[in-house]
Amino acid sequence: GQSLEQPSEVTAVEGAIVQMNCTYQTSGFYGLSWYQQHDGGAPTFLSYNALDGLEETGRFSSFLSRSDSYGYLLLQELQMKDSASYFCAVRNTDKLIFGTGTRLQVFP
Amino acid sequence: DTEVTQTPKHLVMGMTNKKSLKCEQHMGHRAMYWYKQKAKKPPELMFVYSYEKLSINESVPSRFSPECPNSSLLNLHLHALQPEDSALYLCASSQDNTSGGYEQYFGPGTRLTVT
Repeated sequence: GQSLEQPSEVTAVEGAIVQMNCTYQTSGFYGLSWYQQHDGGAPTFLSYNALDGLEETGRFSSFLSRSDSYGYLLLQELQMKDSASYFCAVRNTDKLIFGTGTRLQVFP
Repeated sequence: DTEVTQTPKHLVMGMTNKKSLKCEQHMGHRAMYWYKQKAKKPPELMFVYSYEKLSINESVPSRFSPECPNSSLLNLHLHALQPEDSALYLCASSQDNTSGGYEQYFGPGTRLTVT
């Protein structure tokens, strides 16, 4: 079977740093993507890791360890607008398989 | 233009109705996708079109019928739906499906209610 597990909810305060984890078990693996979705909105692409290591894009960083089947998304200098759901997604040959999602709530 | 548009935004239909959802992109993407998303759940893949040909059907019931008239347009025809089909239907596109599909652009979705 295929599974991508994420913690269901994370809370943090403005200005803080938060890490959202993703562990996966899939029959094929080409890379790990991250998407953000605000309530009532569409998912938007944040980052992609095909190789082990850290990718940084502004306040967002994403990490992948293929040997551990594990990745995380790191958000720095949290802002209220970062409150959203965050999905990891495994690229598996010809499609994306989405994780269960983490709902991030940022408090003032 | 990095936008995927979907119409209508909201749709209420009875179980005997026939309706269609429409999706359009002008980014020159050659892969297009339909997803279904229930509240507080991840998007669930339904269909993938690659170069205007159906490449993946995730065992979707035949009351959902996709169509790709050209490289910019994607339709989802709905017929004899059930109340449990009520959900947000998302369309997405990506450059192609062979090298990735890891970066998909999503439309705002159609919120469908089946009564």
